[in-house]
Amino acid sequence: KQEVTQIPAALSVPEGENLVLNCSFTDSAIYNLQWFRQDPGKGLTSLLLIQSSQREQTSGRLNASLDKSSGRSTLYIAASQPGDSATYLCAVFNYGGSQGNLIFGKGTKLSVKP
Amino acid sequence: NAGVTQTPKFQVLKTGQSMTLQCAQDMNHNSMYWYRQDPGMGLRLIYYSASEGTTDKGEVPNGYNVSRLNKREFSLRLESAAPSQTSVYFCASSEVGRGEQYFGPGTRLTVT
Repeated sequence: KQEVTQIPAALSVPEGENLVLNCSFTDSAIYNLQWFRQDPGKGLTSLLLIQSSQREQTSGRLNASLDKSSGRSTLYIAASQPGDSATYLCAVFNYGGSQGNLIFGKGTKLSVKP
Repeated sequence: NAGVTQTPKFQVLKTGQSMTLQCAQDMNHNSMYWYRQDPGMGLRLIYYSASEGTTDKGEVPNGYNVSRLNKREFSLRLESAAPSQTSVYFCASSEVGRGEQYFGPGTRLTVT
């Protein structure tokens, strides 16, 4: 059974720092991996989606990488800002099985201090 | 475009009452999903609809029913609410199965 883990559960950094959020998954037979952001009391906002054939995706100050063989993905945030404070979730779709079952990690709560 | 909309935003029910959570998307997506989010448990899939006219159970379907009314709308019904169904409910949609998912703002449900 696919399991997705995000460590650490919480992270606090000063403004301007570059940082990396980690996501690991137990079954490497994934179809794609998606990173989301969730602000308190709000829904999830899609940040980046990486297909299984891709190694990385970039959007502005965000860069996500995927290493299927090691079961890992990282989300790199450059020059962090207080507005980046939120919970970041990663999720994977497996090959085979249900087309609906996106498996989520429990998230990393990021706090960027001014 | 509004994206994915959900109603109501908040709801308090007594044990045994019923209610329907509404979801609509205006992105012409084929697939739609219902999740619940609980502290310490993360997001879990309740039901999904790969396309209009089809629905399938997710990880935690017990106590819920769904209707894919048309391509735009996907509703979630609690027939007899229980305190264990206190949660935040999210609807999502994607263009195709296993595609990038877009989420609504959520419904915060409390069952007393």
